[in-house]
Amino acid sequence: QKEVEQDPGPLSVPEGAIVSLNCTYSNSAFQYFMWYRQYSRKGPELLMYTYSSGNKEDGRFTAQVDKSSKYISLFIRDSQPSDSATYLCAMRGRGSTLGRLYFGRGTQLTVWP
Amino acid sequence: DGGITQSPKYLFRKEGQNVTLSCEQNLNHDAMYWYRQDPGQGLRLIYYSQIVNDFQKGDIAEGYSVSREKKESFPLTVTSAQKNPTAFYLCASSSSDRESGANVLTFGAGSRLTVL
Repeated sequence: QKEVEQDPGPLSVPEGAIVSLNCTYSNSAFQYFMWYRQYSRKGPELLMYTYSSGNKEDGRFTAQVDKSSKYISLFIRDSQPSDSATYLCAMRGRGSTLGRLYFGRGTQLTVWP
Repeated sequence: DGGITQSPKYLFRKEGQNVTLSCEQNLNHDAMYWYRQDPGQGLRLIYYSQIVNDFQKGDIAEGYSVSREKKESFPLTVTSAQKNPTAFYLCASSSSDRESGANVLTFGAGSRLTVL
């Protein structure tokens, strides 16, 4: 079993839709959770970062962490064509090897006008 | 602007040749990393370095080598021993605060290597 599981999609939605992206994980030691956005042929860029359980909101984006279920989500409200990208979840434990992030496979999202 | 510069952006190699990918950062980060990205497989860690003159193997180090002679630079050599080198290679860096949850990775734009 991989440390982090993420459905690769592809996911295609109309502009304005609410998008839900999810990851599950197996290691209960993970405490830091991140979402990266990667445009085609570019490097990933940090989109959201959360610590432990709970929600975090930033504009149209909301990240949720449910540690009891080992499940994290990223919601995109009022999705735009510019949101079309691959979204990677990543996570690590507290005090783990510096920067040793565990990544999901990435979900490819297309938002059509 | 602070960031990570990878070069070249595109590289073609004949079988049996070694190639070196450059990674330079001006973020004053202590730690640097190399990842490989293949379609549908996400990011896999090749090598990482937490400090100058020290580095550790990641999950797929076979066929690759690195050096860390300067804090700013972490070049990756793809050797002829790497059986399937065609991929997108990403360099990243992070600060050295081990306990900080804000210790996230900053990535370069990537280098795409194609073996002919």
